[in-house]
Amino acid sequence: GESVGLHLPTLSVQEGDNSIINCAYSNSASDYFIWYKQESGKGPQFIIDIRSNMDKRQGQRVTVLLNKTVKHLSLQIAATQPGDSAVYFCAENKGRSGNTPLVFGKGTRLSVIA
Amino acid sequence: NAGVTQTPKFQVLKTGQSMTLQCAQDMNHEYMSWYRQDPGMGLRLIHYSVGAGITDQGEVPNGYNVSRSTTEDFPLRLLSAAPSQTSVYFCASRRQGWQYFGPGTRLTVT
Repeated sequence: GESVGLHLPTLSVQEGDNSIINCAYSNSASDYFIWYKQESGKGPQFIIDIRSNMDKRQGQRVTVLLNKTVKHLSLQIAATQPGDSAVYFCAENKGRSGNTPLVFGKGTRLSVIA
Repeated sequence: NAGVTQTPKFQVLKTGQSMTLQCAQDMNHEYMSWYRQDPGMGLRLIHYSVGAGITDQGEVPNGYNVSRSTTEDFPLRLLSAAPSQTSVYFCASRRQGWQYFGPGTRLTVT
């Protein structure tokens, strides 16, 4: 079946460095993508989203890149801080209307080394 | 706005017991959903609802029931708890775009 997956389950980065978290998706009909951050003991929190008519979107210290040719999504975190340590999930959806379930990847754990 | 609220935060059940996990949202969102999260398994969809009176099954619906009598509330019922249902349960809601998640309920079935 079609699914959202991640290339790496864990990522360790030095404080101050940039982090890149990758995600592969296989549903070519998906047109809306979201990144979530989940800290220990908490529910996932929205970070940034992107529609399929874009290939890049920037937020505060975060950038999401979408490559539809190879069905690849990435989250870049600039100047990684200890507070960025968490599990990051990508999610995909067919349509942004809100009536179809999001499909989540398994997650990547980001550990920031002080 | 309180966002998405869940009760209880923690619960221990014995095998065969039943219980209801409560979920409420005050954002007037039509779409609500329940997930379970097990170590290394990510988030798996149990049931979802696109509005009051409408529910549908997700990836792992067996052993769970839901109902949606109001826009605000979306309770999840465990009919006869089993150790395999030990997990963290998250409720979420959305109108368009991304989902808002609740803080979760940690359930242990012994």
